Amino acid sequence: GAVVSQHPSRVICKSGTSVKIECRSLDFQATTMFWYRQFPKQSLMLMATSNEGSKATYEQGVEKDKFLINHASLTLSTLTVTSAHPEDSSFYICSARDLFDRSYSPLHFGNGTRLTVT
Amino acid sequence: DAKTTQPPSMDCAEGRAANLPCNHSTISGNEYVYWYRQIHSQGPQYIIHGLKNNETNEMASLIITEDRKSSTLILPHATLRDTAVYYCIAHNFGNEKLTFGTGTRLTIIP
Repeated sequence: GAVVSQHPSRVICKSGTSVKIECRSLDFQATTMFWYRQFPKQSLMLMATSNEGSKATYEQGVEKDKFLINHASLTLSTLTVTSAHPEDSSFYICSARDLFDRSYSPLHFGNGTRLTVT
Repeated sequence: DAKTTQPPSMDCAEGRAANLPCNHSTISGNEYVYWYRQIHSQGPQYIIHGLKNNETNEMASLIITEDRKSSTLILPHATLRDTAVYYCIAHNFGNEKLTFGTGTRLTIIP
């Protein structure tokens, strides 16, 4: 089956530093990937839609200059949390749909990245 | 996407069938019903989806009422590994984004 790999699975960083999270589709191509954030005991909240070769589309309330998204190829999207603060500590999850799947086909999710900012 | 309503939590005895209800009374004709689950500290896992017919796969069965206003996900023989949060989503396939509600926290009791 289709696999989405996220790296790293866990990261601890100091306040003020930047952290990059990678999301790869391992055996399929994806023109669109999605980034979600999940705080403890809450549901997944969509942050942005990442489009290969173009600018990402951010959801209302998500700062595009703080959460930089790059989707340089059909198999890789990256999320960089810039100048991270403790309130950015969260579980970040990416997902993708196979380029050749029909529009009603399910999304494939990565296993998430737990970010802790100290 | 249409709003869905699920009970916040349910328990089920190991080995029994787990029946998870979902209400989607405002679902439109081009919206599929999708079920995903999220085991603690992992990404969501796709389970099953359907439009109007009942569906079954190796993981579960999906029963959709004739008027499509509600559905039930059935895990036929629940195991401890089925403990997770289950999300029911009524998704318009013309809309790329998938929006998650609060889901049902299913606990399988030994």
